Amino acid sequence: GAGVSQSPSNKVTEKGKDVELRCDPISGHTALYWYRQRLGQGLEFLIYFQGNSAPDKSGLPSDRFSAERTGESVSTLTIQRTQQEDSAVYLCASRSYNSPLHFGNGTRLTVT
Amino acid sequence: GENVEQHPSTLSVQEGDSAVIKCTYSDSASNYFPWYKQELGKGPQLIIDIRSNVGEKKDQRIAVTLNKTAKHFSLHITETQPEDSAVYFCAASKDSGGYQKVTFGTGTKLQVIP
Repeated sequence: GAGVSQSPSNKVTEKGKDVELRCDPISGHTALYWYRQRLGQGLEFLIYFQGNSAPDKSGLPSDRFSAERTGESVSTLTIQRTQQEDSAVYLCASRSYNSPLHFGNGTRLTVT
Repeated sequence: GENVEQHPSTLSVQEGDSAVIKCTYSDSASNYFPWYKQELGKGPQLIIDIRSNVGEKKDQRIAVTLNKTAKHFSLHITETQPEDSAVYFCAASKDSGGYQKVTFGTGTKLQVIP
């Protein structure tokens, strides 16, 4: 079946603009995660959604970052008033019960 | 929260040699330890994982060992090939029947020299 799909694959935006990044998880996966990966760096946890429970937002770096998920489907990560330090690859992953994370190929965000 | 440290950050080996990457974790309640391989321009892909009730797991040229007492686990790749060149991440989480935050190490860039 299809894997985790992220769009767009690349996004260039001007400083101060808002951006929305989209993640389509694997069908049936109830948990969804967002990670940020700066160039040459590791995976920085941002947020995860678990079924209908309240999301764990503990990794969001500032109030400019927010994410939503409708039920067990699509999630969007929104960054408001983008800054140059927001430039990174944003990775989405999903998993079903007791299974490993499956990652998408990420959205490469460049803030100019 | 959980903290995962990974060493080395870069590793170069000759083709055919073995490669070892080591990780330590801080939360003794962590019980699931996956390893991911990330190729350029792609998302990380799971290559092997181990749960805390097992000390070692092997899959062809790849093996993972876990020392719960010392809170460290290692990835071993034998007979390395150029296609093994990639960035490898270890991770740790507390899987207790639900879904938990997965904490990643900082990554190891492995270069296999033909």
